[in-house]
Amino acid sequence: GQNIDQPTEMTATEGAIVQINCTYQTSGFNGLFWYQQHAGEAPTFLSYNVLDGLEEKGRFSSFLSRSKGYSYLLLKELQMKDSASYLCAAINSNYQLIWGAGTKLIIKP
Amino acid sequence: IAGITQAPTSQILAAGRRMTLRCTQDMRHNAMYWYRQDLGLGLRLIHYSNTAGTTGKGEVPDGYSVSRANTDDFPLTLASAVPSQTSVYFCASSAEGGPTDTQYFGPGTRLTVL
Repeated sequence: GQNIDQPTEMTATEGAIVQINCTYQTSGFNGLFWYQQHAGEAPTFLSYNVLDGLEEKGRFSSFLSRSKGYSYLLLKELQMKDSASYLCAAINSNYQLIWGAGTKLIIKP
Repeated sequence: IAGITQAPTSQILAAGRRMTLRCTQDMRHNAMYWYRQDLGLGLRLIHYSNTAGTTGKGEVPDGYSVSRANTDDFPLTLASAVPSQTSVYFCASSAEGGPTDTQYFGPGTRLTVL
């Protein structure tokens, strides 16, 4: 079967760094997305990785290892507004998006 | 209008009733999608449309139908609602419908079927 695994919930402190992991088992692979979703709101795009390595965008970075079926989202200098769910989604060989259930990130002062 | 709008915001519906969820985008995107989001599960694709006049089935299409008469609108119809269709429904669009295109989501419709 095809599966995306993410931790259900994580807690971090304002100003700190947090890494949210995502492992995927899909039939083939054509890239991986990260989306942010605040409670009661729509998901919004954060990043897309198709090549191995780290891509940095301001306070957020996303990493991909295709050989390990693994990605992570790194959030630096955490702010209270970063409290949200973070959704990982992989594209399989049929070009279908397979979504994880999301990681709820709680930021404490 | 800016982006994607959905209506209604929320709805409580009796089982067996017919319901249409509306979705309109003003970005002239070719592709549109309907997802449902349930607690503990990832977003699941119900139906999609790569361009006006065409539609396709996603992962969980049973009990739902869609139409795409024009570029902007993509309504989702529940012909006879059942309690298992209680969920949050998101409409999304992307420029060309390619799998690597960024999807832009509407604010969602929270549907409760009793």
